[in-house]
Amino acid sequence: QVQLQESGPGLVKPSETLSLTCTVSRDSIVSYYWGWMRQAPGKALEWIGYIHYTGETKYHSSLKSRVSISVDTSRNQFFLRLNSVTTADTAVYYCGRVGVGAAPEGYYLFGMDVWGQGTTVTVSS
Amino acid sequence: DIQLTQSPSFLSASVGDRVTITCRASQDIKNSLTWYQQKPGEAPNLLIYRASFVLSGVPTRFSGSGSGTEFTLTISSLQPEDFATYYCQQLNVYPWTCGQGTKVEMK
Repeated sequence: QVQLQESGPGLVKPSETLSLTCTVSRDSIVSYYWGWMRQAPGKALEWIGYIHYTGETKYHSSLKSRVSISVDTSRNQFFLRLNSVTTADTAVYYCGRVGVGAAPEGYYLFGMDVWGQGTTVTVSS
Repeated sequence: DIQLTQSPSFLSASVGDRVTITCRASQDIKNSLTWYQQKPGEAPNLLIYRASFVLSGVPTRFSGSGSGTEFTLTISSLQPEDFATYYCQQLNVYPWTCGQGTKVEMK
């Protein structure tokens, strides 16, 4: 079963850049979509975006100007960068595999079916 | 953005109870709805996708139904390990959005 592990700084200063890595093991990053979600303390889940191993990306519109997701197939890793962070970006950040299904009308994405354990990022000076 | 409203936000139930959680969308999302279960301190787990498809390995007591703007997650006989928070997520329109969650607590 594929496994994912987030890594990166747990503390980021306001206005700086949050950078996280998700390492995929026990399966290849090729042929799948990979995503990021976050959860602020005591709050609901929030979708951030996803990337296909080919480099195709999709981002949440509210973060689009600050967020970037990239992939390194040689290292079986994908990455999240969030610029100009504020305290509102304090959250647990999860990486995950985005499930893909097939229907007569074509393929569809159906959410994150495998998750990392999550990593807490605090934005504070 | 599409808003998802879950009801109830909190639910007290006993082992063996039949539990139903509703997720209402602010516009038609066809059947592009996923349900997750999250236990404290853990990552969520996907239970149901495309409104009614149960992910492989998920116990058969979990089921989903609905289309358009109204969806339900049903646990046919609540087990001790089912006390958790449940979230719905729509994937029909970007940005994908989630409901506020329903916490299922022990009565």
